[in-house]
Amino acid sequence: AQSVTQLDSQVPVFEEAPVELRCNYSSSVSVYLFWYVQYPNQGLQLLLKYLSGSTLVESINGFEAEFNKSQTSFHLRKPSVHISDTAEYFCAVTVSGGYNKLIFGAGTRLAVHP
Amino acid sequence: DAGVIQSPRHEVTEMGQEVTLRCKPISGHDYLFWYRQTMMRGLELLIYFNNNVPIDDSGMPEDRFSAKMPNASFSTLKIQPSEPRDSAVYFCASRPGALPYGYTFGSGTRLTVV
Repeated sequence: AQSVTQLDSQVPVFEEAPVELRCNYSSSVSVYLFWYVQYPNQGLQLLLKYLSGSTLVESINGFEAEFNKSQTSFHLRKPSVHISDTAEYFCAVTVSGGYNKLIFGAGTRLAVHP
Repeated sequence: DAGVIQSPRHEVTEMGQEVTLRCKPISGHDYLFWYRQTMMRGLELLIYFNNNVPIDDSGMPEDRFSAKMPNASFSTLKIQPSEPRDSAVYFCASRPGALPYGYTFGSGTRLTVV
């Protein structure tokens, strides 16, 4: 079975500073990895995904994540955060095949301060 | 497309009452998922359907919980009788075909049982 561990429940950071949100997964088979973002009182939105190919994936708003198979990690990074990035971020994993399901980590609350 | 539509957005009910949450998936999506989000347990997968058939209900916490999908455009999650510990945000998500990505989440139903 797959599982996801997000190592930090909360990450406070000042505006324009870099940030890294950590995610580790466990699985006995090949995985697909995702980062979702949840703004207050909203549903989850896909931020970026790793399916195959290049291990570095990017989102349209400046976030990037790198798939590291040897370390079973998929950490999320942004070189300079904005106040508007304040949200909860969830790492998720699934496997190939029709009857698969998305398993989420516990989430990391990113708080960007002015 | 209007996305995944959940109703109601908020529900407050008294302990012991029956609660029904509703979800309309995106047209053409073959898979439908029900998740529950709480502070203590994060995002938990309760049950999911493929072509209206329940595939995995191992996440359903108790017999008080039941879910149905009578057709491709409608699903319900019912709690009877409800208890205060059922208070949470319940999300519905749908996904097209056997691909491991493409999940779209609804805005959620915030349930409060008093």
